[in-house]
Amino acid sequence: GAVVSQHPSWVICKSGTSVKIECRSLDFQATTMFWYRQFPKQSLMLMATSNEGSKATYEQGVEKDKFLINHASLTLSTLTVTSAHPEDSSFYICSAREPGLAGDEQYFGPGTRLTVT
Amino acid sequence: DAKTTQPTSMDCAEGRAANLPCNHSTISGNEYVYWYRQIHSQGPQYIIHGLKNNETNEMASLIITEDRKSSTLILPHATLRDTAVYYCIVGLRNSGNTPLVFGKGTRLSVIA
Repeated sequence: GAVVSQHPSWVICKSGTSVKIECRSLDFQATTMFWYRQFPKQSLMLMATSNEGSKATYEQGVEKDKFLINHASLTLSTLTVTSAHPEDSSFYICSAREPGLAGDEQYFGPGTRLTVT
Repeated sequence: DAKTTQPTSMDCAEGRAANLPCNHSTISGNEYVYWYRQIHSQGPQYIIHGLKNNETNEMASLIITEDRKSSTLILPHATLRDTAVYYCIVGLRNSGNTPLVFGKGTRLSVIA
């Protein structure tokens, strides 16, 4: 299957600072990428849909000015958590669909664990 | 909201078949059933999907009832490495802008 990578795999930052998480589709071009967040013992919650060359679409309750998403190329989307606070500590997972003749499976990155101190 | 219902947790003895049920009574005619799993602190891993026919691949088998209101994921010979949360999801194919919506899943514990 297709490979989606994320960087970094984990990050610790101080409250008030900003953190950027990268998501790359390694062997396919992804017009659309998705960002999810997962708190401990909970399921994945969709944060936003990222479209190459246009503004992201955010889910209700997700602050677009706090979680900046940039999808500048067909293989890279970035999520920047601005002015991070301890409540932003979470597991952030990106995903992309691989278009193909048989359909489009959704593949997930390995996740980035953010800890805000 | 997720359109599926799964048991919260299940146990399975190592080497035995693990049968994970999923109810999706409101599935529409063009929606597929997808199964993913998430091992602790990793991203979800695709397992299998199907529309109405039973499907099998190197990882698992998917049995979908004739009325499509429920399905069962079968891991034929569970190993300790199969311990994970298993998510049953319904969604459309070829719907680039529509993401998969995750429910709470089933936590499968494979016991030695």
